[in-house]
Amino acid sequence: DVQLVESGGGLVQPGGSLRPSCAGSGFTFSNYWMHWVRQAPGKGLVWVSRISSDGTNTNYADSVKGRFTISRDNARNTLYLEMNSLRAEDTAVYHCGRIIVGATGVDFWGQGTLVTVSS
Amino acid sequence: QSALTQPASVSGSPGQSITISCTGASSDVGGYNFVSWYQQHPGKAPKLMIYDVSHRPSGVSNRFSGSKSGTTASLTISGLQAEDEADYFCWSYTTSSTWVFGGGTRVTVL
Repeated sequence: DVQLVESGGGLVQPGGSLRPSCAGSGFTFSNYWMHWVRQAPGKGLVWVSRISSDGTNTNYADSVKGRFTISRDNARNTLYLEMNSLRAEDTAVYHCGRIIVGATGVDFWGQGTLVTVSS
Repeated sequence: QSALTQPASVSGSPGQSITISCTGASSDVGGYNFVSWYQQHPGKAPKLMIYDVSHRPSGVSNRFSGSKSGTTASLTISGLQAEDEADYFCWSYTTSSTWVFGGGTRVTVL
């Protein structure tokens, strides 16, 4: 079965850094483009970043550009989100998602990892 | 990037049909056939219901359908069932090579 499992969230102070990861299994990870999205408690979904299957093409939301870096290690079937200069408004559950090959929908999502930015 | 506009809530009785709208601009919904819809139950991960405006993934009930006219996309749920009660989000690609969600719609089955 296809699985995406996020980890690496936690409590961090404003201005700090964190690197959540997303481990994929049950499919050929290197064939798929991937997204990160986030959801603050009680709020809606917000897109964060996207990466191509080979890691050479990346895009970011304006709110995180210059602070967050998406990357992947296809040998380890793992997606990462390097988060720097964290702010209180970055507090959210971060979900990774797999993009359908040849289309634009995300057909599988992980359960998410909670990032809390607070002093 | 401004969020797409969805009604905050929509309700219907079991068996009825409801439609959720998702309004954007020519730079997102109106410019591409790259709109998808997600269902989310409390505390759960999103679930893909429709992709690329009107395509339904395998395993999703044919009671769910999608369409688009101009800068507004729509998700229709026919034969409403209790299990359809959830939050629904639309999502579109934009000219900035970014993606934008709608604010979400809470569907209530009366």
